[in-house]
Amino acid sequence: QVTLKESGPGILQPSQTLSLTCTFSGFSLSTYGMGVGWIRQPSGKGLEWLANIWWDDDKYYNPSLKNRLTISKDTSNNQAFLKITNVDTADTATYYCARITMGITTYFDYWGQGVMVTVSS
Amino acid sequence: DTVLTQSPALAVSPGERVTISCRASESVSTGMHWYQQKPGQQPKLLIYGASNLESGVPARFSGSGSGTDFTLTIDPVEADDTATYFCQQSWNDPPTFGAGTKLELK
Repeated sequence: QVTLKESGPGILQPSQTLSLTCTFSGFSLSTYGMGVGWIRQPSGKGLEWLANIWWDDDKYYNPSLKNRLTISKDTSNNQAFLKITNVDTADTATYYCARITMGITTYFDYWGQGVMVTVSS
Repeated sequence: DTVLTQSPALAVSPGERVTISCRASESVSTGMHWYQQKPGQQPKLLIYGASNLESGVPARFSGSGSGTDFTLTIDPVEADDTATYFCQQSWNDPPTFGAGTKLELK
């Protein structure tokens, strides 16, 4: 059974760094073809892909945010991480992590419940 | 970036057939996927690769299309299908999502 769960600070101030953790089970990020992605959703709005990390440590970022994002993983503890630097109110959203499987095309087949993050002074 | 355009909302009666469309600004081949999101919940994968039904998803859901025009069909619609449906493409970088179609039942 594949499960993912996000955790984060809840609230932070503008210009701070947002650190998010995705703790998962039911698969391993050391297995060929496995990956984890981060996606966010402002309240009442659509979904925005942020970054992916793969079993071989390949990393991909949304170009619109690339300079502010860092994705990483801890394979032994089944965790993936995302850092966003210099946050502002536009980063207020629910942040999801999701499993991705390499294939002809990639898609997010299992999602965490999401963690709400508010940026406010 | 590839822009995905969806109709904002639809209203149908239970038992009817509904089609939800997604148009891409450039070809995405069959790299199109569909998700269902109910209020307060995370998105759930329904269809991948344009037409492949995800395991455990009822056969009432189906997907079709290639290139730039895609359709998610629910037949017949049930009350539990009230949700927002998002399309997502992964053929072109970066991956992008449509704005979602809110399905309401009459």
